[in-house]
Amino acid sequence: AQSVTQLDSHVSVSEGTPVLLRCNYSSSYSPSLFWYVQHPNKGLQLLLKYTSAATLVKGINGFEAEFKKSETSFHLTKPSAHMSDAAEYFCVVSESGGSYIPTFGRGTSLIVHP
Amino acid sequence: DSGVTQTPKHLITATGQRVTLRCSPRSGDLSVYWYQQSLDQGLQFLIHYYNGEERAKGNILERFSAQQFPDLHSELNLSSLELGDSALYFCASSSTSGIAATQYFGPGTRLLVL
Repeated sequence: AQSVTQLDSHVSVSEGTPVLLRCNYSSSYSPSLFWYVQHPNKGLQLLLKYTSAATLVKGINGFEAEFKKSETSFHLTKPSAHMSDAAEYFCVVSESGGSYIPTFGRGTSLIVHP
Repeated sequence: DSGVTQTPKHLITATGQRVTLRCSPRSGDLSVYWYQQSLDQGLQFLIHYYNGEERAKGNILERFSAQQFPDLHSELNLSSLELGDSALYFCASSSTSGIAATQYFGPGTRLLVL
């Protein structure tokens, strides 16, 4: 069985400061992990994904995430927040064994202050 | 713009009624996924079709059904609607059906059941 926990429902940062959105997962098989972003009144957009290649994954808009198997984590980071980063972020896990069903975290709302 | 279209954008109906939500995937994509997003449940995977065949089923109620047509568009039918079915329904598409497939989300259909 698979599950995903986003450790913070809200994260507030100032523009220009680093961003850290935390995600822990549980999976019985080799997982694929994703981060999606949802801007207000929009659909979700893929930021990046991990599929058992390099553990440090670079995505769009300066975001990156590191897959840490020992810690079962896949935290999302960005060195410097921009106002346009304010959105809802979802961590998603999908595992290779059994039927493919993605499990979404509850989301983290990123607030960026000027 | 992801290239995935959903109609209608908004739908208001009464309890007990039946509605049909439509999704057109990106050109060339064979996979279509349906999701429900609500404040209570977050983002829930409903069902996945690949080239007309059902591939995976998630938390989809018996009152809900879906299909993918030969031209690859998909419809989600919701019947005997209840107040709790009010939610945002997303469709996503991908070129493959694997667990690492990048999904492209449509803008969603907002359903309000009164």
